[in-house]
Amino acid sequence: KQEVTQIPAALSVPEGENLVLNCSFTDSAIYNLQWFRQDPGKGLTSLLLIQSSQREQTSGRLNASLDKSSGRSTLYIAASQPGDSATYLCAASTDSWGKLQFGAGTQVVVTP
Amino acid sequence: GAGVSQSPSNKVTEKGKDVELRCDPISGHTALYWYRQSLGQGLEFLIYFQGNSAPDKSGLPSDRFSAERTGGSVSTLTIQRTQQEDSAVYLCASREDPGTEAFFGQGTRLTVV
Repeated sequence: KQEVTQIPAALSVPEGENLVLNCSFTDSAIYNLQWFRQDPGKGLTSLLLIQSSQREQTSGRLNASLDKSSGRSTLYIAASQPGDSATYLCAASTDSWGKLQFGAGTQVVVTP
Repeated sequence: GAGVSQSPSNKVTEKGKDVELRCDPISGHTALYWYRQSLGQGLEFLIYFQGNSAPDKSGLPSDRFSAERTGGSVSTLTIQRTQQEDSAVYLCASREDPGTEAFFGQGTRLTVV
């Protein structure tokens, strides 16, 4: 069974620093991997989707990499802002039906 | 619609009552999923619909839980004889097809008292 792990569980950085969020998965046979953001009391907002054939995906200040052989994905957020404070979740799609296996998330606080 | 819509946003119910949660996916999205998010359990998969069919119901925790989808659009998740352990946030997601980006609704927070 696919296990998805996110370490650390929580992270605090000063504004302007780059954020590096880690996601690891045990089964490299994934279809794709998606990063989400969740604000308190809200649903999930999609940030980036990386297909299994891709090595990275970029959107604005966000860049996500995928290394299937090592079972890792990393989300980089450049020049962090207080508005980036949220919980970040990664999820691996492990079957052709698109069912997602989620990590527990990394709670990020960006201090002004 | 512009996004995935769920209703109600909050529901408080007495133990033993039945509840219905509604999900309106993005127009044209054939794949629809229900997930549950509870403290200490993280996000767990409940059921997957492709069109009106549910080929994967493996995450439904008991036979008190059921779901249907009609017209390839709206889905309803029904919980019968609710228990306190059913208290959680129920999230719905849709995809254009299973290999594309998943979009989530805002969730329904269910509290069983």
